[in-house]
Amino acid sequence: QSALTQPASVSGSPGQSITISCTGTSSDVESYKLVAWYQHHPGKAPKLIIYEGSKRPSGVSNRFSGSKSGNTASLTISGLQAEDEADYYCCSYAGSNFFYVFGTGTKVTVL
Amino acid sequence: QVELQESGPGLVKPSGTLSLTCDVSGGSINTNSWWSWVRQPPGKGLEWIGEIHHVGTANYNPSLRSRVTISVDESKNQFSLNLNSVTAADTAVYYCASHSGYSFAHWGQGTLVTVSS
Repeated sequence: QSALTQPASVSGSPGQSITISCTGTSSDVESYKLVAWYQHHPGKAPKLIIYEGSKRPSGVSNRFSGSKSGNTASLTISGLQAEDEADYYCCSYAGSNFFYVFGTGTKVTVL
Repeated sequence: QVELQESGPGLVKPSGTLSLTCDVSGGSINTNSWWSWVRQPPGKGLEWIGEIHHVGTANYNPSLRSRVTISVDESKNQFSLNLNSVTAADTAVYYCASHSGYSFAHWGQGTLVTVSS
C-alpha cells in the first residue's frame, strides 16, 4: 500500500485560503469516509484537525475544513494565519489488511 | 484528557531490537480504544506501525509485520513496541497515539531512536 499523494508544499499570504489535496486509491480514500488530517509543528506532537473527512474535533478552529471527491480528499485553511505554518498530513483507513495509510505530507508556508 | 509519554533507549545497534514503552495517564488503557505506534524517519513522512486493544488484539502494518510486536500491560497502564532486526532505515521519531474511531486523537511528544553502531 503506497502513501497517499500530497503536494510537497503550499503557500499563501495571511488572510488567504489554501487547499491541500490528498490523492489515494479505490482501496483507501475512495472506499471509506474515514480520512483524517493532522497538523504537525516540527518537534511537537501531531494534532488532529479533521476526522471522518469533514468533522472538526472540539477546540479546532472553523478555519479548517475537509472534503472528499472520489479518491481525493482535501483540506482547506481559510483566513490563513502565521500559526498555521506547519506540516499537514492526511491519513485514510485502508481496510483490514493495511489499516492506516498516511499521506506524503505538505509543508504550508505563510508568506 | 488522555496523555501519552514514550520512553526507551535513544540508540540501538544494527540487528538489535528497538523497545519502547508508552505510559498512558489521565485515563485507563482498559477502554474501547486502540493504542498505536507511528514513526517519522528524518526528513520523511509519518508511517503507521501497528495498534493494540487492551484485550490483546493487535494489527500491524504489513510492511513491518514480520519484525513488530506490540503488547499491552493493563496493570501498568502502558503499551509497548518491539521492533527486531533493526537497520539504519528504522531510525525515526517514534510516537505513540490512541484512537477510538479511525483517527488518532491523542499523541505522545515522540522519542528519537537512532540505529547505529
